[in-house]
Amino acid sequence: DAKTTQPPSMDCAEGRAANLPCNHSTISGNEYVYWYRQIHSQGPQYIIHGLKNNETNEMAALIITDDRKSSTLILPHATLRDTAVYYCIERGGSEKLVFGKGMKLTVNP
Amino acid sequence: NAGVTQTPKFQVLKTGQSMTLQCAQDMNHEYMSWYRQDPGMGLRLIHYSVGAGITDQGEVPNGYNVSRSTTEDFPLRLLSAAPSQTSVYFCASRSNLATSGGETQYFGPGTRLLVL
Repeated sequence: DAKTTQPPSMDCAEGRAANLPCNHSTISGNEYVYWYRQIHSQGPQYIIHGLKNNETNEMAALIITDDRKSSTLILPHATLRDTAVYYCIERGGSEKLVFGKGMKLTVNP
Repeated sequence: NAGVTQTPKFQVLKTGQSMTLQCAQDMNHEYMSWYRQDPGMGLRLIHYSVGAGITDQGEVPNGYNVSRSTTEDFPLRLLSAAPSQTSVYFCASRSNLATSGGETQYFGPGTRLLVL
C-alpha cells in the first residue's frame, strides 16, 4: 500500500502558484520522496524527487519539512496543461515505486 | 530515441484467451516494470526486472508472467485472460539507481485491454 497521503483534489487559477501537499509521516531516513504526474490517460511523467533538502528543476520546486514528514510540490506558474493527477511517492532501498491514488489538480482559466 | 514503446495500443480478448503485451526501450535501461491502472485507482505494480534474466513480483502478480531475455524487451503474458484483468497497462524503465538520472522512470503510452 502507498504510504503517502494526499488530498483527493485541488483547484488552482491559471498563472498562480499551485502548492500540492503530501504527508509521509512514516518515512524513514533513507527514503526519497518522488513526484510524478499523469495527464489524462497518458503514462506518468517524472517531475522531481528529494531526500531532505529542497529541490528545484525546470518543472517544479519540492519543499520538504525539516522532520521530513511532509512535503509540498510547487508549480510556480500553473498553466492549463498542468491539469493532471499528481502522485507523491516514497521510495527507499527497494527498486519499487508504489503509487497511491494521487491528487487531481485542475487549473482553471 | 523512441523511449518506451508498447504494443498493442488496444486489445479485446475473450475470457480464457492468452496474449502477450509487448514493451521495449532503447535507452539501455537495466530496470523495467509493468503496472496496471484501473478506473479511479493509482498504478499498481505487477512485475519488475532489474536486469536481463532477473524478474520479481510486484503487488498484483497473479495471472501474469514475465521474462527478460534482453535488456531492451520486457513482455507481459496473460496465460488465461479474465474480466478482472480489464485495465490499462503501463510499462516503465529507468537506469540503475546508482547512475546519474537513474531516479527518472520513463513510462510507455499504455495498452488498453478489455476482457469480455
